[in-house]
Amino acid sequence: AQSVTQLGSHVSVSEGALVLLRCNYSSSVPPYLFWYVQYPNQGLQLLLKYTSAATLVKGINGFEAEFKKSETSFHLTKPSAHMSDAAEYFCAVSSNAGNNRKLIWGLGTSLAVNP
Amino acid sequence: DAGVTQSPTHLIKTRGQHVTLRCSPISGHKSVSWYQQVLGQGPQFIFQYYEKEERGRGNFPDRFSARQFPNYSSELNVNALLLGDSALYLCASSLSGANVLTFGAGSRLTVL
Repeated sequence: AQSVTQLGSHVSVSEGALVLLRCNYSSSVPPYLFWYVQYPNQGLQLLLKYTSAATLVKGINGFEAEFKKSETSFHLTKPSAHMSDAAEYFCAVSSNAGNNRKLIWGLGTSLAVNP
Repeated sequence: DAGVTQSPTHLIKTRGQHVTLRCSPISGHKSVSWYQQVLGQGPQFIFQYYEKEERGRGNFPDRFSARQFPNYSSELNVNALLLGDSALYLCASSLSGANVLTFGAGSRLTVL
């Protein structure tokens, strides 16, 4: 069985500060890992994905994440926060085998960016 | 290019009623998945369809059903609505049931 734990339901940073959103996963098979962002009253937008290629993955809007198998982690970072980054962020895991590749989601982390 | 479109965007129903939610995938995408997102939580997988066949079902009661049409659009039906069915229902499409999903903006259902 697969699961995702996002540490910290709410994170607050100052504009220009480092953003670090934590995600740990559990998977009995090699995982695919994703970060999605959800702005208020909108659907989910893919930020980046790990699919067993490079362990450091670069996404949109300056975000990146590093897959660390030994730590079962896939933390999301951005060097300098912008006000527009305020949103809900979700980490998700899926198996990389089989036809039914449903995503298992974390509970989300709400990011607030203070001026 | 049009993204994933869902309708209606908002709706209010009363307990015991029935609801139908609709989803049009990105052109060329043959797989559609449905997720339920209760306020303050992550999405929960409901169904996945590929080439009009059900490929996966989440842990939801039989009151939830779905289908995919020849043009790859999809409907999610929920019967005998309960207060707990109030949620944002998200539709996502992908090329072949693979992992990268593109989501629509969702249909927000309120059950009174």
